[in-house]
Amino acid sequence: ETGVTQTPRHLVMGMTNKKSLKCEQHLGHNAMYWYKQSAKKPLELMFVYNFKEQTENNSVPSRFSPECPNSSHLFLHLHTLQPEDSALYLCASSQGSAAQGSYEQYFGPGTRLTVT
Amino acid sequence: RKEVEQDPGPFNVPEGATVAFNCTYSNSASQSFFWYRQDCRKEPKLLMSVYSSGNEDGRFTAQLNRASQYISLLIRDSKLSDSATYLCVPYSGGGADGLTFGKGTHLIIQP
Repeated sequence: ETGVTQTPRHLVMGMTNKKSLKCEQHLGHNAMYWYKQSAKKPLELMFVYNFKEQTENNSVPSRFSPECPNSSHLFLHLHTLQPEDSALYLCASSQGSAAQGSYEQYFGPGTRLTVT
Repeated sequence: RKEVEQDPGPFNVPEGATVAFNCTYSNSASQSFFWYRQDCRKEPKLLMSVYSSGNEDGRFTAQLNRASQYISLLIRDSKLSDSATYLCVPYSGGGADGLTFGKGTHLIIQP
């Protein structure tokens, strides 16, 4: 399945590094999302973009900086992270319209991030 | 009260058996419901959407009870590959709102 792709799949970074996660969706959707899943915890919403505009920031620390240049691409820029930021970062997309049947979100395989 | 509550399990079920889990939700405005399955260290995959009273897809049946605010998932003739965590996700948004996930129900199908 290649509807939503994410790169890299694994990333190890030091606390002083700067890195970026990339997500691309090939589903013609307009809404894209970042979620974080720490070990043995539920997914937590981080950011929502609809038609390239950020519509939700779920009180995420500023060391995480999202970017959505178009409806198909979403980035998460990382800088000065902490070890507790180690987690699986998942991107998702949905149609983004208000029509029933268009609410389903489809997830990418995630980037497993380790901060050392 | 949590937005969604599920028995975390694990449910240990022999292959070929029928298994059902319930999910209760607190937001009566929820109009849509999703069941996702998540394998260990993988992304959630959409299993089924429910917009009315229920839905059926092969061996999987979801039933919604709005009066009691719960939704169930029934798996018939379970396969080893059904072993996963099943996540119930109620949705009351307008089209581009984040989903709220719980910890789900862990199912183990035993040979």
